[in-house]
Amino acid sequence: EAAVTQSPRNKVAVTGGKVTLSCNQTNNHNNMYWYRQDTGHGLRLIHYSYGAGSTEKGDIPDGYKASRPSQENFSLILELATPSQTSVYFCASGDEGAPLYFGAGTRLSVL
Amino acid sequence: QQKVQQSPESLTVSEGAMASLNCTFSDGTSNNFRWYRQHSAKGLEVLVSIFSDGEKEEGRFTAHLNRANLHVSLHIREPQPSDSAVYLCAGTGNYKYVFGAGTRLKVIA
Repeated sequence: EAAVTQSPRNKVAVTGGKVTLSCNQTNNHNNMYWYRQDTGHGLRLIHYSYGAGSTEKGDIPDGYKASRPSQENFSLILELATPSQTSVYFCASGDEGAPLYFGAGTRLSVL
Repeated sequence: QQKVQQSPESLTVSEGAMASLNCTFSDGTSNNFRWYRQHSAKGLEVLVSIFSDGEKEEGRFTAHLNRANLHVSLHIREPQPSDSAVYLCAGTGNYKYVFGAGTRLKVIA
């Protein structure tokens, strides 16, 4: 079965600190995505990737970077975390036209 | 960018009654549509995918698509308390997905 694993599951960070959220997929999907989910906004796309070495800006990329060093791994990086980045973050993988498979989410609190 | 209006925001139904959820898209960018379910504090799981006008059934879940009206709906037949969750519609096109804000469904016994 398709599997997407996120780590950590919970993270508390300080304002101005660096945060890295990791995602690993065993589905051999080309495309991977990072979303954040906030009440009233649903899922919003931060960054996505078509394959190893590629990263693309989504709808709300400001304050975030992404890295896709391999087919399996896709990271989201907050260089200078701010309280407005407190949210639940989801990673997903999928092929064009196919359903997305989601990780269980990372709950990030920036104090 | 494409927007999605999902309604209602919350819905309470009795076990065994039909539950109906709706989404309207702002434009015709998306060409594939899906319904996902999210149980509390967990990731999303896909319930049903629909690509052409009409309906698509997956067990107790039936999706309806009307492209002319930019409207997609989900009907849950004989809902059970275990179906209590947040339901999100999604449209996809050009590698990108757009999601509705979700409908919180509560099924009471």
